Parts: sequence; C-alpha cells; structure tokens
Amino acid sequence: DAGVIQSPRHEVTEMGQEVTLRCKPISGHNSLFWYRQTMMRGLELLIYFNNNVPIDDSGMPEDRFSAKMPNASFSTLKIQPSEPRDSAVYFCASSAYGGSGNTIYFGEGSWLTVV
Amino acid sequence: AQSVAQPEDQVNVAEGNPLTVKCTYSVSGNPYLFWYVQYPNRGLQFLLKYITGDNLVKGSYGFEAEFNKSQTSFHLKKPSALVSDSALYFCAVRDPYQTGANNLFFGTGTRLTVIP
Repeated sequence: DAGVIQSPRHEVTEMGQEVTLRCKPISGHNSLFWYRQTMMRGLELLIYFNNNVPIDDSGMPEDRFSAKMPNASFSTLKIQPSEPRDSAVYFCASSAYGGSGNTIYFGEGSWLTVV
Repeated sequence: AQSVAQPEDQVNVAEGNPLTVKCTYSVSGNPYLFWYVQYPNRGLQFLLKYITGDNLVKGSYGFEAEFNKSQTSFHLKKPSALVSDSALYFCAVRDPYQTGANNLFFGTGTRLTVIP
C-alpha cells in the first residue's frame, strides 16, 4: 500500500518566488495534516483538514501561506512570496478520521531552501 | 491544554545495552500516546501507541513503551540497542476528549545515538 506521497522532495528557489508543495494522502484517509520542521522550532502543525475541510489553520505563519484540499486525494501548500526564513522541511501526513486512536502517517517530506 | 515533554535532547547508549527515551505528558483526560522515529532525511515513522488496555505496549523494531498514569509518563524502551537505532525520536499525545480534534501534539524530540 502506498504511503503519503509528497512532491517535490527537494526544491531550491529564489526569494520572492511562489512555491507549491503537493501531497497525496493514503487512500481512504480523510484527515490530512501539514507540518513544518526546522532546527529552531522543531515540528509545527500548520493546518489540518477533515473530509477536505480546513479545521485548524492557526499554525499557518502568515498570509503568504495558503493550503487547499480540492478533493480527498490531493492537497497543496503554497507559499507566495517565499522568503529565506521559510526554508524548512514540510511534511504532509494523513490518518483516518472518526476515532481518536487513529495513527497519523507521514510522507517523506519536501525539503525547501529559499535563497 | 495538552502537551508532551521530552526532557532529554540527546541520549547516548552503548550497542547491546538497554535504552530508554523519556516522555511525560499533560492532558485533561486519559491520553492517547504515540512514539515516532525519524531517520536522517526521512519522514516520521510510527513505532507504537497506547490507547487503552495493557500498560506495556510493544511496537516495531523491538521497541516497547510503558504507560504510567500516576507518573504521567510513556517512556520508550528497548532491551538491547543497535547502532541502526540511532535516530530522532518523538513522543506525541492526543486528548480523546477534545471534540473534533484528531491532531497530535509532539514533543521536541530526543536524538538517540548508539555507540558501537
């Protein structure tokens, strides 16, 4: 069974450019999470969706960040314009929804460097 | 409010020795507790979880963890460490009584180094 699939795995972009990160959750999972990991802040939840609906976006740093989930099998995290401080590893994760004991499964991450 | 603490940033252990990675939690009710491992340049991998039942939970790669309600702890253990166990370990908690929220709250991570 395929896990959470993220693309791109690595991206280097110039400051001011738009960055789009993509995620395909595990089939049948209806909760999707975007996390960011940095040395300074550790693992931070940015936003999560249940049944394609954003539930909590309080972790989204600022208006430059936006996330969408147009259907159950696809989500994007967009940064526009990007800044060097956005350099981090961005993880997408998914789980089944409806039971609090459900496990969250992570993708391999998108390594973003903004120069 | 729910939170989890991993008091040690770094744990070093000799290969073949038992290892313990500590975790304490704070939730309003009975917690759901998880351990994840992250190898270099990889995503987080699920190791084990405690939901209910036996306080000793067994997981992947020979790891186990013991839920201790009185001490609000969920320490990760392994009887005999391998060099390949060297990685970053995260403890996480979910409060099952927080309606509609199935997010996990993660600790800051503990870097385990197993010395050959």
